[in-house]
Amino acid sequence: QKEVEQNSGPLSVPEGAIASLNCTYSDRVSQSFFWYRQYSGKSPELIMSIYSNGDKEDGRFTAQLNKASQYVSLLIRDSQPSDSATYLCAVNKPGNQFYFGTGTSLTVIP
Amino acid sequence: EPEVTQTPSHQVTQMGQEVILRCVPISNHLYFYWYRQILGQKVEFLVSFYNNEISEKSEIFDDQFSVERPDGSNFTLKIRSTKLEDSAMYFCASRAGTSGRGVTYEQYFGPGTRLTVT
Repeated sequence: QKEVEQNSGPLSVPEGAIASLNCTYSDRVSQSFFWYRQYSGKSPELIMSIYSNGDKEDGRFTAQLNKASQYVSLLIRDSQPSDSATYLCAVNKPGNQFYFGTGTSLTVIP
Repeated sequence: EPEVTQTPSHQVTQMGQEVILRCVPISNHLYFYWYRQILGQKVEFLVSFYNNEISEKSEIFDDQFSVERPDGSNFTLKIRSTKLEDSAMYFCASRAGTSGRGVTYEQYFGPGTRLTVT
């Protein structure tokens, strides 16, 4: 069973729309959760972290965590063409090891 | 803004050779990591390092690999006797450990070293 699962996409949304990205994780002891953005050929760039159940907002981005369902999501409001990238979900379990999903490819169409 | 740096950006080596990938983590960070990403695949954890010793390692991180913090700024990944399947992007990351709000797990990645084994 994969530690972190994401729909690989591609996900296409029109400019200005809300993009919704989802992630599930397998181990209930996972304690912290992250969304990274990765442009082609570049390194992952941290967008959001979330540690407790509920929503966390930062600008156009909202992360949502539901530990009972082992589910993390990222909403991008007012999507821009520059948001087109692969979005990686990552989780941390107790200790110092991190697991990444395969990523969801997002295309924002002008 | 402080950032993680890595050198070289691209390393080409022949099968069986040893390579050392170098990283300079963010200066006040305490935890250091190496990841690899084979082209088209996910980011894979290799090893974490804290207080001058390995704290976690994955199954990928076998005896072929080693890490070192030779001085107060550099963090290196050595790959002995490289194989074709070691060709990948290798990312270094670091995290502070604590912030004004308590324990923090946010990791910041360097730009990566593309390793090509021929």
